[in-house]
Amino acid sequence: QSALTQPASVSGSPGQSITISCTGTSSDVGSYNLVSWYQQHPGKAPKLMIYEVSKRPSGVSNRFSGSKSGNTASLTISGLQAEDEADYYCCSYAGRGVVFGGGTKLTVL
Amino acid sequence: QVQLVESGGGVVQPGGSLRLSCAASGFTFSSYGMHWVRQAPGKGLEWVAFIRYDGSNKYYADSVKGRFTISRDNSKNTLYLQMNSLRAEDTAVYYCAKDVEYGDYPSWAFDIWGQGTMVTVSS
Repeated sequence: QSALTQPASVSGSPGQSITISCTGTSSDVGSYNLVSWYQQHPGKAPKLMIYEVSKRPSGVSNRFSGSKSGNTASLTISGLQAEDEADYYCCSYAGRGVVFGGGTKLTVL
Repeated sequence: QVQLVESGGGVVQPGGSLRLSCAASGFTFSSYGMHWVRQAPGKGLEWVAFIRYDGSNKYYADSVKGRFTISRDNSKNTLYLQMNSLRAEDTAVYYCAKDVEYGDYPSWAFDIWGQGTMVTVSS
């Protein structure tokens, strides 16, 4: 159960779009459409933003979207806002369990 | 409202045991798979364990297999995590989390999280 690979940090200006990548293997991301993304603000519990690669839970802004190609999943945030500044984690089913990415710190400049 | 509330965290010596509880409300607990996820101080998220809605299947991360046991009591709407042979590296905030999907095919995604309970393993 090796961790998925995410960039340590990304940044963007308000109104811009950013994409966070999440690279796994053929045993996890590449084999299942069960990738999810979480937003976590300091001292808070994580919040589900995307599940099953591209589905958005009720109440999550449509500025958040997810996709997958091969062993790499991506989270795109369009129209960046100050409140989007947080840590983001990807997660994938890996057969009898899940594996998380190491997390990406998003800074809104 | 839909809510998960963890309890049972604390300070324990290496080799000791602790049982965490997670009280669920606001949804049909007996219909959903449930997970435990932990986060060491300043670190990322780590999945710990999953239990099927009816308790018939359980899965564990390699790091806790053989030491931790997940269970549930659907009559009490409560999820548990029995932690034995605790190590310093088990120090973390432990979250219980609800799976998105109900029934036989979990989504392995977590839409409702508790506030977390801190477990510190130290002598």
